[in-house]
Amino acid sequence: GAGVSQTPSNKVTEKGKYVELRCDPISGHTALYWYRQSLGQGPEFLIYFQGTGAADDSGLPNDRFFAVRPEGSVSTLKIQRTERGDSAVYLCASSLTPGQGYNEQFFGPGTRLTVL
Amino acid sequence: GQNIDQPTEMTATEGAIVQINCTYQTSGFNGLFWYQQHAGEAPTFLSYNVLDGLEEKGRFSSFLSRSKGYSYLLLKELQMKDSASYLCAVKDSNYQLIWGAGTKLIIKP
Repeated sequence: GAGVSQTPSNKVTEKGKYVELRCDPISGHTALYWYRQSLGQGPEFLIYFQGTGAADDSGLPNDRFFAVRPEGSVSTLKIQRTERGDSAVYLCASSLTPGQGYNEQFFGPGTRLTVL
Repeated sequence: GQNIDQPTEMTATEGAIVQINCTYQTSGFNGLFWYQQHAGEAPTFLSYNVLDGLEEKGRFSSFLSRSKGYSYLLLKELQMKDSASYLCAVKDSNYQLIWGAGTKLIIKP
């Protein structure tokens, strides 16, 4: 079956521009996560959706970052006024409702964002 | 604070055995995961431990001691394709994953 997909795979933009990154989770997965990963580091949590609502957005670094999931499936991560420090690989993952039991997270291939 | 510690890099020989350790301090514990991540690719699930003891899955085994806040991933009969980063992650009291920085494993012929 289809896994998690993310578009674009690569995005190069200039400092100050606005970008949108898209994630299409596995069908039936109610939980969706956005992470940011820099070279040599583990994934850094950004935001978690349960259905359409952001259940935990404590990882968003500042108000330039925003994410939506209007119909409880596809999600878009939006970054305003991009800065060079935003350059990273943005990973999306989905799972069944988290809770007891392992409900592993399945990751997409990521979007490599480069801010010049 | 929450903390996951793993060695930054390890080197091993093809055909040998390697053990990658992970220690954690988290607010609550609802299981520990190991993921494999090849360079430029997404992490993929390897194992899950929630009770103390050893879980074996083919060439890979994972061990957990909750009282010590400690886990290890054991890889046997190493193959060149096992060269990757291995990420330890703990599910905390909010059922969210707290990730370590990963251990880069280099396999030499």
